[in-house]
Amino acid sequence: DTEVTQTPKHLVMGMTNKKSLKCEQHMGHRAMYWYKQKAKKPPELMFVYSYEKLSINESVPSRFSPECPNSSLLNLHLHALQPEDSALYLCASSQRGLSYNEQFFGPGTRLTVL
Amino acid sequence: GQQVMQIPQYQHVQEGEDFTTYCNSSTTLSNIQWYKQRPGGHPVFLIQLVKSGEVKKQKRLTFQFGEAKKNSSLHITATQTTDVGTYFCAGTAGQFYFGTGTSLTVIP
Repeated sequence: DTEVTQTPKHLVMGMTNKKSLKCEQHMGHRAMYWYKQKAKKPPELMFVYSYEKLSINESVPSRFSPECPNSSLLNLHLHALQPEDSALYLCASSQRGLSYNEQFFGPGTRLTVL
Repeated sequence: GQQVMQIPQYQHVQEGEDFTTYCNSSTTLSNIQWYKQRPGGHPVFLIQLVKSGEVKKQKRLTFQFGEAKKNSSLHITATQTTDVGTYFCAGTAGQFYFGTGTSLTVIP
């Protein structure tokens, strides 16, 4: 299984809502990532989990809260988002850390904040 | 600011023409990866280059890593409509960055 799955595919939420994005991989990868991608822009790294520990937080606002319950799962909890947070949120995984490792991306969750 | 720039930003080619995208970093990269993202899709890994001056080929695609490990290029020979998408380089220069991307349109 060389697939990264993400749910939901689409999410519309208000600024006062709390929601979660989910990501799962069964490739035995020990590094997992959250990226944010705006239209016609490159993916921007948000968080990196390595061996289930948060290793990189790229100065992301606290309204985004990552969680790695186990080596196969990665969540992104959303609370009090702003309309400018609307974007495609991509999850990725790799065998180990960022450098020298091919990243496998999920299809993404398209988030709209009203 | 953005550390890894790509040119051109957009490229339209007739099917069968060649295409090249260039990736330039302001600092030395430990390695360079290339990804392709189809319209409406997600990035898909193409290749990784690690050594200075390295050249790798995948069928019609040729990838190069510069001698100073600050630049890279992707060349596609005889483009096909299946080559449509945005090509991103990505590498580590202190932090991990995706390049700005080159969007390729192939006109049949």
